[in-house]
Amino acid sequence: DVKVTQSSRYLVKRTGEKVFLECVQDMDHENMFWYRQDPGLGLRLIYFSYDVKMKEKGDIPEGYSVSREKKERFSLILESASTNQTSMYLCASSQLSRTGANVLTFGAGSRLTVL
Amino acid sequence: RKEVEQDPGPFNVPEGATVAFNCTYSNSASQSFFWYRQDCRKEPKLLMSVYSSGNEDGRFTAQLNRASQYISLLIRDSKLSDSATYLCVVNFNPNFGNEKLTFGTGTRLTIIP
Repeated sequence: DVKVTQSSRYLVKRTGEKVFLECVQDMDHENMFWYRQDPGLGLRLIYFSYDVKMKEKGDIPEGYSVSREKKERFSLILESASTNQTSMYLCASSQLSRTGANVLTFGAGSRLTVL
Repeated sequence: RKEVEQDPGPFNVPEGATVAFNCTYSNSASQSFFWYRQDCRKEPKLLMSVYSSGNEDGRFTAQLNRASQYISLLIRDSKLSDSATYLCVVNFNPNFGNEKLTFGTGTRLTIIP
């Protein structure tokens, strides 16, 4: 089974702090994604990557950056955390379905609280 | 109008009953469709893909209606373990490298003993 591991399940940070969320997958997938999930808003895509050192903005990239130096690792960075970034962050990696669409496998999530 | 819309529920259904819910999507060029399941405080997991001809996996049946732009999920003989939030996911890929996966906000299902 594909395993996607997120380094921290729960984090509490202060406004203005720099935050790193790490994600590692063990199945040699090309594609990796970062989402945030908020009540009533569902999952929203922050950034994704189709290859090493490659990144693309998702729907809500503002206030975030990413790094993909190795194929298996995709990091999400909050340069200066703000209270509106309190959320559940979900990393995913994917393989293509028979219809050519990405089928996502998610990590367990990182619940970030910014005070 | 939201790109992918689901009735949030909750649906409270007695054990053994059949339950169905729909998901509507706004982009008629959408190409692929999925149902994911998310248990409380857990990550979403793929339940099943939805194919044009409809598909079945045990007690679960997924259907696609392109003309009316909705997909459906039917659960027969519901079990307590089916209690979860069901997320509808729609894929639009106008060209390679520009894929857009859109998630619905989910339908919450509770199976009652």
